[in-house]
Amino acid sequence: DAGVTQSPTHLIKTRGQQVTLRCSPKSGHDTVSWYQQALGQGPQFIFQYYEEEERQRGNFPDRFSGHQYPNYSSELNVNALLLGDSALYLCASNPRGRGYEQYFGPGTRLTVT
Amino acid sequence: GNSVTQMEGPVTLSEEAFLTINCTYTATGYPSLFWYVQYPGEGLQLLLKATKADDKGSNKGFEATYRKETTSFHLEKGSVQVSDSAVYFCVISAGGTSYGKLTFGQGTILTVHP
Repeated sequence: DAGVTQSPTHLIKTRGQQVTLRCSPKSGHDTVSWYQQALGQGPQFIFQYYEEEERQRGNFPDRFSGHQYPNYSSELNVNALLLGDSALYLCASNPRGRGYEQYFGPGTRLTVT
Repeated sequence: GNSVTQMEGPVTLSEEAFLTINCTYTATGYPSLFWYVQYPGEGLQLLLKATKADDKGSNKGFEATYRKETTSFHLEKGSVQVSDSAVYFCVISAGGTSYGKLTFGQGTILTVHP
């Protein structure tokens, strides 16, 4: 049973560029959440998707957007990259209604230069 | 808003020592409480959870009790091992419309020496 998978593992971008990160949830899970983890900090909630819609959002600007596909996989898009967007981006999935049971992927390390 | 405050780290212990990592929280509603662990080179893993007052979560020798009166969820282990070296996060999930939105503490780095 595959867990949560994310791609790519690492990514280097330049300020002002756009980036797309991808996530496949654990089998049987239909809800996907995205988190940003800056170095030495705890993860911060970006947003959550289920039924292909954004259901909750944290304190992140509109430059951060997402999408969920019918197969429950998800993308995180960040536009107009800033140096401060450099972080580990984590995807987590859970079964519907069991938000306390989130399984995390290994993350995508994004470096903005 | 919801927030979690963890004991400042890092924490360095000798093998078989007693571990306590303090955690307090503020939240609206009636949150569920968790400890997550991040081992070197690995993803975040749920260590234990408690969903109501006075519940005790336990796993791998670690324990934490949901104390509603003091809004705390301290992590303890009676005898740590080198393999317990990791970063530990205290986490809450508030109820209502925020259900499923996890709020993390800043993390505590634990290093255990032989």
